[in-house]
Amino acid sequence: NAGVTQTPKFQVLKTGQSMTLQCAQDMNHNSMYWYRQDPGMGLRLIYYSASEGTTDKGEVPNGYNVSRLNKREFSLRLESAAPSQTSVYFCASKTSSYNEQFFGPGTRLTVL
Amino acid sequence: AQSVTQLGSHVSVSEGALVLLRCNYSSSVPPYLFWYVQYPNQGLQLLLKYTSAATLVKGINGFEAEFKKSETSFHLTKPSAHMSDAAEYFCAVSGAGGSYIPTFGRGTSLIVHP
Repeated sequence: NAGVTQTPKFQVLKTGQSMTLQCAQDMNHNSMYWYRQDPGMGLRLIYYSASEGTTDKGEVPNGYNVSRLNKREFSLRLESAAPSQTSVYFCASKTSSYNEQFFGPGTRLTVL
Repeated sequence: AQSVTQLGSHVSVSEGALVLLRCNYSSSVPPYLFWYVQYPNQGLQLLLKYTSAATLVKGINGFEAEFKKSETSFHLTKPSAHMSDAAEYFCAVSGAGGSYIPTFGRGTSLIVHP
């Protein structure tokens, strides 16, 4: 049981490049989330998916898109990376009973 | 609507001293409350959760938290700090229902001095 996995662990991009962050969970959870973590800002919700086939914007969605490929996988895409998107990105899934979230190990992204 | 306030972005204690990390919340519905811990270069992991059963909740690594509705608080404590407790701690609140999305506080960095 791997829990929540994320790839890649590290990435360096140049301004304007695109990339997709991958996330998968093996706990059969309906809900999945993408957060970014910046110093002093805590966790900010980018997008979430309450169930397979649905996605919704969170607090800071600008510059990002998501795809809920199936129940297991939820990807985050940066179409044209900007230095302001330098951050640590976390994917999480959530139980439907007590709303406990399980987090992946994170992707550390630097945009030059 | 729901929100979380964690008092103190940094808390410094000596090894063996009491740990107290403060969390106050607001919620328009009965809440579920959580404490998560993040060790350096890792993701968040659940320390403990309150889901309307006992108001004193025990978690992993000797931590506990008490839900006080009258004070809208859910402070995290540990009687004796250990060097390995040095980490970032996040408090989160959610409505008591599967459709609610947890809201996180900004985090408190716990520093433990030898």
